[in-house]
Amino acid sequence: GQQVMQIPQYQHVQEGEDFTTYCNSSTTLSNIQWYKQRPGGHPVFLIQLVKSGEVKKQKRLTFQFGEAKKNSSLHITATQTTDVGTYFCAGPNPVTQGGSEKLVFGKGTKLTVNP
Amino acid sequence: DAGVIQSPRHEVTEMGQEVTLRCKPISGHNSLFWYRQTMMRGLELLIYFNNNVPIDDSGMPEDRFSAKMPNASFSTLKIQPSEPRDSAVYFCASRVGWSTEAFFGQGTRLTVV
Repeated sequence: GQQVMQIPQYQHVQEGEDFTTYCNSSTTLSNIQWYKQRPGGHPVFLIQLVKSGEVKKQKRLTFQFGEAKKNSSLHITATQTTDVGTYFCAGPNPVTQGGSEKLVFGKGTKLTVNP
Repeated sequence: DAGVIQSPRHEVTEMGQEVTLRCKPISGHNSLFWYRQTMMRGLELLIYFNNNVPIDDSGMPEDRFSAKMPNASFSTLKIQPSEPRDSAVYFCASRVGWSTEAFFGQGTRLTVV
């Protein structure tokens, strides 16, 4: 079955440093989504990428979708304490199966920020 | 809209007891997912429904787990009998259509002692 792998599993940074998490799929994805889960909270949708090579920005967050649509990254510039949480990527079933509503999550990258 | 509503928020039960978790998806959403979150396994997809029909239950760990969606506004996840290794946070999520954002409930933290 489809697997979505994320690295690193944990990342600790000093406030003001940059942060990047990477997501890799074993198969081509029709789209990829990113979610953030604050400590003790629930996953909250951040963004969806659909096109090959797509880049989207949300303030200090930059999201990229690989040319082959098998990998993606989330980069945070100048982290703040409010960025603390776990960041997940999520993808549907592979396009080769005609698409599906099944939404599979990576294990996430837990970000801690030292003020 | 109140969002996805899950109940109870916390459940502590003894091993061997039956546990029922409840979910009310957002009105108009036709897909519903049940996830289990643990430190070791992350967010595991247990089952998902489309238009109240179970589409994929390959993530359901054992026959002790069952899920139903009798109508568009209600779903249950039942564990019978419960075991300590079932302790986790269980999330319900819903969305409309394909490839749209999923909205998560607050989760049910289950502890089986």
